[in-house]
Amino acid sequence: AQSVSQHNHHVILSEAASLELGCNYSYGGTVNLFWYVQYPGQHLQLLLKYFSGDPLVKGIKGFEAEFIKSKFSFNLRKPSVQWSDTAEYFCAVNAQNYGQNFVFGPGTRLSVLP
Amino acid sequence: DARVTQTPRHKVTEMGQEVTMRCQPILGHNTVFWYRQTMMQGLELLAYFRNRAPLDDSGMPKDRFSAEMPDATLATLKIQPSEPRDSAVYFCASGLVKGVDYGYTFGSGTRLTVV
Repeated sequence: AQSVSQHNHHVILSEAASLELGCNYSYGGTVNLFWYVQYPGQHLQLLLKYFSGDPLVKGIKGFEAEFIKSKFSFNLRKPSVQWSDTAEYFCAVNAQNYGQNFVFGPGTRLSVLP
Repeated sequence: DARVTQTPRHKVTEMGQEVTMRCQPILGHNTVFWYRQTMMQGLELLAYFRNRAPLDDSGMPKDRFSAEMPDATLATLKIQPSEPRDSAVYFCASGLVKGVDYGYTFGSGTRLTVV
């Protein structure tokens, strides 16, 4: 079965610090990878997705993620965080042989201090 | 921007009562998901539909939960009877699956509290 792990439960950063959130999945076949963000009290929004091609994916709001197949990882990065990035971040994986449903990671809460 | 609309936004009900949550997917989307989010379990897939047909509802407790799409503009999730452990935020998401590319849009969720 697919599973997704996210390395950190809660990350606290100061504004302008660099961010990297880890995501690892367990599936050896072809996967599609996603990062979603959930701002406090709001719904999930797609930050970026990877299907194929360039393993470095750029998303909205200055986020990017790198797919490293050999490490089964899809880490999310941002060079300089802002207070408005305070939110919960979910990594999600869809293994193509498992149909169109997702498996979500447990989420990482990011708190950015002004 | 097109949106997935979920109603109600909040629902407080007594244990044993029937709860119905509604979702209006984005027009033209052919896939609809229901997820439940709790602090303990995170996001869990309950059910999903393609072209209104249920494809997978293995994540849903069948004895009390039911999900339907009576037409392309409405998806419903019912709980009968509701229990306190059903308290959670229920998200609907819709997407257009076309070939190998797709993306989903999530609704704002229904926050359910069963007392």
